Amino acid sequence: SQELEQSPQSLIVQEGKNLTINCTSSKTLYGLYWYKQKYGEGLIFLMMLQKGGEEKSHEKITAKLDEKKQQSSLHITASQPSHAGIYLCGADGTGTASKLTFGTGTRLQVTL
Amino acid sequence: DVKVTQSSRYLVKRTGEKVFLECVQDMDHENMFWYRQDPGLGLRLIYFSYDVKMKEKGDIPEGYSVSREKKERFSLILESASTNQTSMYLCASGLGGSNQPQHFGDGTRLSIL
Repeated sequence: SQELEQSPQSLIVQEGKNLTINCTSSKTLYGLYWYKQKYGEGLIFLMMLQKGGEEKSHEKITAKLDEKKQQSSLHITASQPSHAGIYLCGADGTGTASKLTFGTGTRLQVTL
Repeated sequence: DVKVTQSSRYLVKRTGEKVFLECVQDMDHENMFWYRQDPGLGLRLIYFSYDVKMKEKGDIPEGYSVSREKKERFSLILESASTNQTSMYLCASGLGGSNQPQHFGDGTRLSIL
């Protein structure tokens, strides 16, 4: 079965600093999904990556998928308190998005 | 915007009770999913459905059943609730296919006493 490892497990950064979260798969991915979860709430879809070497950005968040399609990174530039939450990566190992495997998440705190 | 609505944000039930968690989506999605989320374990798939009256077991189906009588509604049933089913339950829906994300509800925090 597919396993996803996220690092770090938790992160505390000062407002304005940059940060990177990593997601590594044990198998080649058909698709990699990034979600954000505010404490005690549901998941909000951020971005999806499918092609090796693909990079997508939305506001101050950039996600990349490596050429081998086994590792993804999520980079936040000039972090703000609104970026605080849990970031989860989800992997599609079948090409149908019918069964996603999720990492255990990275908890981000942004201090003033 | 896709809207996935879970019937309760918080629920407290007793051991042995039959518990129903309801989920409704408004985007005519074929696929619907039930996950549970526990600290240190992440999200784990319980059941999913790719069509009305169709269901497939996920990674942890034991102790649960599901019902999908209408396309927009997917119910999770705890036949006889136990304390180890205390968890955050998340419903999701999606179109399916390799480039379609799943969209999640706000979750139900279920406590079994």
